[in-house]
Amino acid sequence: DGGITQSPKYLFRKEGQNVTLSCEQNLNHDAMYWYRQDPGQGLRLIYYSQIVNDFQKGDIAEGYSVSREKKESFPLTVTSAQKNPTAFYLCASTPGTVNTEAFFGQGTRLTVV
Amino acid sequence: DAKTTQPNSMESNEEEPVHLPCNHSTISGTDYIHWYRQLPSQGPEYVIHGLTSNVNNRMASLAIAEDRKSSTLILHRATLRDAAVYYCILRDVRVNQAGTALIFGKGTTLSVSS
Repeated sequence: DGGITQSPKYLFRKEGQNVTLSCEQNLNHDAMYWYRQDPGQGLRLIYYSQIVNDFQKGDIAEGYSVSREKKESFPLTVTSAQKNPTAFYLCASTPGTVNTEAFFGQGTRLTVV
Repeated sequence: DAKTTQPNSMESNEEEPVHLPCNHSTISGTDYIHWYRQLPSQGPEYVIHGLTSNVNNRMASLAIAEDRKSSTLILHRATLRDAAVYYCILRDVRVNQAGTALIFGKGTTLSVSS
């Protein structure tokens, strides 16, 4: 079945370490997104990519990095520069027009200790 | 992107209709109105979207005001599984088709009682 897959579901890291979250989609969607969600809050946009080898910063890009080397993959690296990295991270993808739905992964819950 | 305003929370009883409002007074003529919902510890899922006319699907109905400055998501018979955070979002069709950023607010938390 087509869909968007995030892995792992739970991730623990020590403070000061970089960590990479995986997001893969087999929907042939052009655009992909990364969001951060803190308890009781809405989704905040970190980065998004409209096309391979191109991406734009969202509202809270500091301390994060991304790459888009393949259409189906959009990994997010949480760097040691991110001051408060513990959160729920969500990846999404959309096809080429706004008159269609976005698909979300099930999320990765990152805990930094 | 135009902004949306939703109540923080709403309550409903099971099997009763629920009307979830959204205000978007600065909406442009090219903005689509999208609704998503998020169950606890899951990613959001698409519910419905529309431009000008009311829309119906298997999950819900979307009623759009004539001036398009507000809309209402209607769940015809709430179930316990409908308890979630509901987000109202505007997406401008003029912006780069593939990459218009999905901007979420805090949404409305719907509680359903049996």
